[in-house]
Amino acid sequence: EPEVTQTPSHQVTQMGQEVILRCVPISNHLYFYWYRQILGQKVEFLVSFYNNEISEKSEIFDDQFSVERPDGSNFTLKIRSTKLEDSAMYFCAVTGYSYEQYFGPGTRLTVT
Amino acid sequence: QKEVEQDPGPLSVPEGAIVSLNCTYSNSAFQYFMWYRQYSRKGPELLMYTYSSGNKEDGRFTAQVDKSSKYISLFIRDSQPSDSATYLCAMSGDLIDSQGGSEKLVFGKGTKLTVNP
Repeated sequence: EPEVTQTPSHQVTQMGQEVILRCVPISNHLYFYWYRQILGQKVEFLVSFYNNEISEKSEIFDDQFSVERPDGSNFTLKIRSTKLEDSAMYFCAVTGYSYEQYFGPGTRLTVT
Repeated sequence: QKEVEQDPGPLSVPEGAIVSLNCTYSNSAFQYFMWYRQYSRKGPELLMYTYSSGNKEDGRFTAQVDKSSKYISLFIRDSQPSDSATYLCAMSGDLIDSQGGSEKLVFGKGTKLTVNP
């Protein structure tokens, strides 16, 4: 059983548009992570989030990206002005009181 | 030198074969080592999780970590066509705290495995 679900499963957007990707944990989790995977490339860390604050972010996570947990349940990744190179699979991951990171099914973002 | 290196394959084996998948790494701070299985356009699925050096077995899967050589392996015994997928190694350093926080995972590129019936 997945620890987390993600919506939408596929998002197509035009360059310059804002997108919001959502992660919904199934059970109680304290730490949240976003990763992305450009087609044919490695899974790359974007950001980690704990207690309503960013714990760590990568150099990929620039000012165009933001994360929040608006209602105490959903965890969102916003890209303010999408670029062609933002096209990728975006994965949410969670940990709870075990330290393993469990990944969601991903959102495929296509920027045209 | 890349932080985590993994032979991308592809690797093709007959059903029933023993499969060996490997990763090397350069960062001696890594202490937690994971293997994920990923099907095409799906999320990584955690298979094995080990801490520091040693072996861990779970059914047909065995994970080995050799920190002195900075080398980790995943062995699959009696491979099945359903094992066909991309296998990703991932690793991280210290835990953040006692509440379940772990540092970011650093992934290898993945090895694509096909098990032929």
